Amino acid sequence: KNQVEQSPQSLIILEGKNCTLQCNYTVSPFSNLRWYKQDTGRGPVSLTIMTFSENTKSNGRYTATLDADTKQSSLHITASQLSDSASYICVVSAGGNAGNMLTFGGGTRLMVKP
Amino acid sequence: DTGVSQDPRHKITKRGQNVTFRCDPISEHNRLYWYRQTLGQGPEFLTYFQNEAQLEKSRLLSDRFSAERPKGSFSTLEIQRTEQGDSAMYLCASSLGTGFLDTQYFGPGTRLTVL
Repeated sequence: KNQVEQSPQSLIILEGKNCTLQCNYTVSPFSNLRWYKQDTGRGPVSLTIMTFSENTKSNGRYTATLDADTKQSSLHITASQLSDSASYICVVSAGGNAGNMLTFGGGTRLMVKP
Repeated sequence: DTGVSQDPRHKITKRGQNVTFRCDPISEHNRLYWYRQTLGQGPEFLTYFQNEAQLEKSRLLSDRFSAERPKGSFSTLEIQRTEQGDSAMYLCASSLGTGFLDTQYFGPGTRLTVL
């Protein structure tokens, strides 16, 4: 069964600090991995997408890594801001983008405090 | 704002009533998806359309649920005889449907509360 597990479930950090969110997956065959940001009461918004051959990808203060051998990904947030408070969802695609091909993690709820 | 809109944003209903949600995707997007998300969980796939054709339905989509996309543009999701367990956020997403890097753009969701 395809699964995506994220850790921690929740995280509180002070504004300006860095943090790293983890994603472990058992999805086969692997196509790509995405990180989404979901603000409270809103739909998820794509932050980055990584394919099998990519190890690191940055989007502003967000840096995602992918280790396809260990089936792990991380999302590193640098110099956190209050607006980073949200849920971050790891989504893994198994060979396509049809609805049943995406496996969503449960998300990490990040709270950035002043 | 991703360009995908959903209506209503919130719906409170009594158990046993029928409800209908609407999703307007990004205009040039061929694919449209429905998901359900409960508190603290990631979205769960319900169904998706390629233009007006409903190509896949999850086992989560019981007989009380029906989705349509009659002209390949907007879509509706109807829940008949609602139950308290139907309380969730219902998310719609759309995508161009081109290639394995195709990205889904999500709407703001409709939060359903069944009393």
